[in-house]
Amino acid sequence: QKEVEQNSGPLSVPEGAIASLNCTYSDRVSQSFFWYRQYSGKSPELIMSIYSNGDKEDGRFTAQLNKASQYVSLLIRDSQPSDSATYLCAVKSQGGSNYKLTFGKGTLLTVNP
Amino acid sequence: GAVVSQHPSWVICKSGTSVKIECRSLDFQATTMFWYRQFPKQSLMLMATSNEGSKATYEQGVEKDKFLINHASLTLSTLTVTSAHPEDSSFYICSARDQVRLYEQYFGPGTRLTVT
Repeated sequence: QKEVEQNSGPLSVPEGAIASLNCTYSDRVSQSFFWYRQYSGKSPELIMSIYSNGDKEDGRFTAQLNKASQYVSLLIRDSQPSDSATYLCAVKSQGGSNYKLTFGKGTLLTVNP
Repeated sequence: GAVVSQHPSWVICKSGTSVKIECRSLDFQATTMFWYRQFPKQSLMLMATSNEGSKATYEQGVEKDKFLINHASLTLSTLTVTSAHPEDSSFYICSARDQVRLYEQYFGPGTRLTVT
């Protein structure tokens, strides 16, 4: 069974700090990786996608992928209180139709003013 | 770009009635849409995958006769909860896969269903 694991948190960081969110996955042949942000009572919002090893930066967000270690992370620089949300890691495995994603249970991030 | 809408945003219905939820991709074509359910403080649970012009694929444990899915066009999928019961009360969220950005899914705003 393909699994995606995340620490449930809560992860608490002060405003302006770097928040580091981690995710591991079990399916070694996974190819596509995504980070979604979900505010309480709202639906998930795609914030980053990453497909190859290394870092991908978009504004204050950096996604890091290490396929050998089956590990993907999300760094949020200069964290703001508005970043407080649950962050979901999602993985698309190789092959199969329908392009299903497997989601982790999410990490709750709290940024304290 | 990549906007997905859902209607209604919330609905209250009586036990035994049916409720239809619409999911539309507004600015892209989606051959595949996904229906999820999320209970409070729990993770997303995939219910079914909806393909345009064909039957939906349901996840294990999801009753296909209770949750009817129709994906009649490249921009519209509907989920009908039949004979709803209080335990069906949940947050129902659809997502759509962009034909161009193949692996990215974009979520609708969700529909909060309360069955009394």
